[in-house]
Amino acid sequence: GAGVSQSPSNKVTEKGKDVELRCDPISGHTALYWYRQSLGQGLEFLIYFQGNSAPDKSGLPSDRFSAERTGGSVSTLTIQRTQQEDSAVYLCASGGYRLYEQYFGPGTRLTVT
Amino acid sequence: GENVEQHPSTLSVQEGDSAVIKCTYSDSASNYFPWYKQELGKGPQLIIDIRSNVGEKKDQRIAVTLNKTAKHFSLHITETQPEDSAVYFCAASIIDGGTSYGKLTFGQGTILTVHP
Repeated sequence: GAGVSQSPSNKVTEKGKDVELRCDPISGHTALYWYRQSLGQGLEFLIYFQGNSAPDKSGLPSDRFSAERTGGSVSTLTIQRTQQEDSAVYLCASGGYRLYEQYFGPGTRLTVT
Repeated sequence: GENVEQHPSTLSVQEGDSAVIKCTYSDSASNYFPWYKQELGKGPQLIIDIRSNVGEKKDQRIAVTLNKTAKHFSLHITETQPEDSAVYFCAASIIDGGTSYGKLTFGQGTILTVHP
């Protein structure tokens, strides 16, 4: 079946602009995670959604980062007033019955110039 | 919080040899340890995982071992093939039960190169 999809695959933006990154989880998966992968910091957890529960936002690096999940499916990660240090690959993962088994999408490579 | 250390950072082997990647973790409460393979331009792919109630798990040419006392776990790949070349990540998490979630703390990654 279809895996996790993310769009866009690449995004180049100017410093100070806002960006939105989209994630479509595997159909039927109720858990959704966002991670960031950068050369300096490796793979870092950002935020987790599960059903109607309050999201775990403990990994968001600043209040410029936010995410929402509409209808329990698609999720959008928004970065406001982007900075050069936001340049990274943003990865989305979803989990099914075993919520902790996380299946990753291909990522969105964000470059802030 | 949890800290995961992974070694080596690069590993080069000849086709057919075995490869071993090791990770240590700091939080004794961690009880779920997955391994991911990441190929260039792709997201990490879950290849095997182990929970703390077992010491070893095998799936064809790959196996994972866990030593809870020493807080380390290892990935073993036997009969390596060129298509095994990728970046491998270990991770650790705390899960409360069979279906609960756990945010992953990742190791720094190992670049494995298998030479034909």
